[in-house]
Amino acid sequence: DAGITQSPRHKVTETGTPVTLRCHQTENHRYMYWYRQDPGHGLRLIHYSYGVKDTDKGEVSDGYSVSRSKTEDFLLTLESATSSQTSVYFCAMMDSPNTGELFFGEGSRLTVL
Amino acid sequence: SQKIEQNSEALNIQEGKTATLTCNYTNYSPAYLQWYRQDPGRGPVFLLLIRENEKEKRKERLKVTFDTTLKQSLFHITASQPADSATYLCALATSGTYKYIFGTGTRLKVLA
Repeated sequence: DAGITQSPRHKVTETGTPVTLRCHQTENHRYMYWYRQDPGHGLRLIHYSYGVKDTDKGEVSDGYSVSRSKTEDFLLTLESATSSQTSVYFCAMMDSPNTGELFFGEGSRLTVL
Repeated sequence: SQKIEQNSEALNIQEGKTATLTCNYTNYSPAYLQWYRQDPGRGPVFLLLIRENEKEKRKERLKVTFDTTLKQSLFHITASQPADSATYLCALATSGTYKYIFGTGTRLKVLA
């Protein structure tokens, strides 16, 4: 496989609690992404990273923060989860824009009650 | 605002026919356009990348065209098979950012 894993794969939490999703890659790829996928909306970009400590907002960044302190890990944090953040979250990585291929993880299903 | 539209939510075709999926965009000048396949419960899988200075790309039974004047990409699967049934997503990024934005996808069903 492409060497990218997400944890946890499933999580149920309550409104107002903090949640952190982890994306770990073993390929030394520079670019990493967090997307959420909801019916009728497709994949929407939350944040992405173009290097260690270099991140930028995506389409739907409100309520989310990210950190990338080392190449292999990209963390997505929901400071205070809301029911609207119930979704499937996908992490992706990319090595070079020349090839442009995004490799996706298997997804993390988050339910906020 | 920027918008990416894929022609239909679902498309049914007969086995052996050519499937054609459309990706249209507005208020956007992408330098890169990609197509992905996604199966239920799985992450998307990369199929093809085409750049703004390329008109067409082929890979086995797949063909992608990119018309920056029409602001449209067409994705063709020739000699379609039931195993091609999946959701297909287009994604675009502008030059220098590599911030890939996705369309909502088209669910293709190939009927035996």
